[in-house]
Amino acid sequence: GAVVSQHPSRVICKSGTSVKIECRSLDFQATTMFWYRQFPKQSLMLMATSNEGSKATYEQGVEKDKFLINHASLTLSTLTVTSAHPEDSSFYICSARDLAHSYNEQFFGPGTRLTVL
Amino acid sequence: DAKTTQPTSMDCAEGRAANLPCNHSTISGNEYVYWYRQIHSQGPQYIIHGLKNNETNEMASLIITEDRKSSTLILPHATLRDTAVYYCIVRSLRGGGADGLTFGKGTHLIIQP
Repeated sequence: GAVVSQHPSRVICKSGTSVKIECRSLDFQATTMFWYRQFPKQSLMLMATSNEGSKATYEQGVEKDKFLINHASLTLSTLTVTSAHPEDSSFYICSARDLAHSYNEQFFGPGTRLTVL
Repeated sequence: DAKTTQPTSMDCAEGRAANLPCNHSTISGNEYVYWYRQIHSQGPQYIIHGLKNNETNEMASLIITEDRKSSTLILPHATLRDTAVYYCIVRSLRGGGADGLTFGKGTHLIIQP
């Protein structure tokens, strides 16, 4: 149980284009999902908290107009990187909070590697 | 959430127990100790968590000192597949744990054949 998937697993795009990344909780409902970013040889950094049916909460320094988050259902959150540039190249990872687990530990997706040319 | 300190890297022989330390001297009474690991180019994986008692599950054991200022994650019989970065995270569950996780640099555990 508590499986989270991400699609695509890797994507290469041209500078200036937009890329959408999907995060799905496969066997549980997730009222809250989180988006992280990880640059090479660095740790994960929380970008935003996505709540079903409401606006996402962004961490300081993360541009909400550049990283659009939609959490339209209890099993799907999407992150759209708009007008991507090479500095947006990173490993994007989502996690979902499963309320059925006693202490709400988060379960992570496998990540999406974005390369912007 | 309290800050944690972990060694940058550790080696362990395959088949031996891997003991990964974590210092969290500023932990407060309502904060839990969580451990996650990240195998290269994958998403993090939850391992175990605890408040003050020692905990064991199918993956590992967690030993928390009586003063709760440090803890040790024990992988009892390490295999090559346990090579990963291990993150010790201290977090409060106020608000039902609705906050994202703050990852430090973690410990890169390398299991040697």
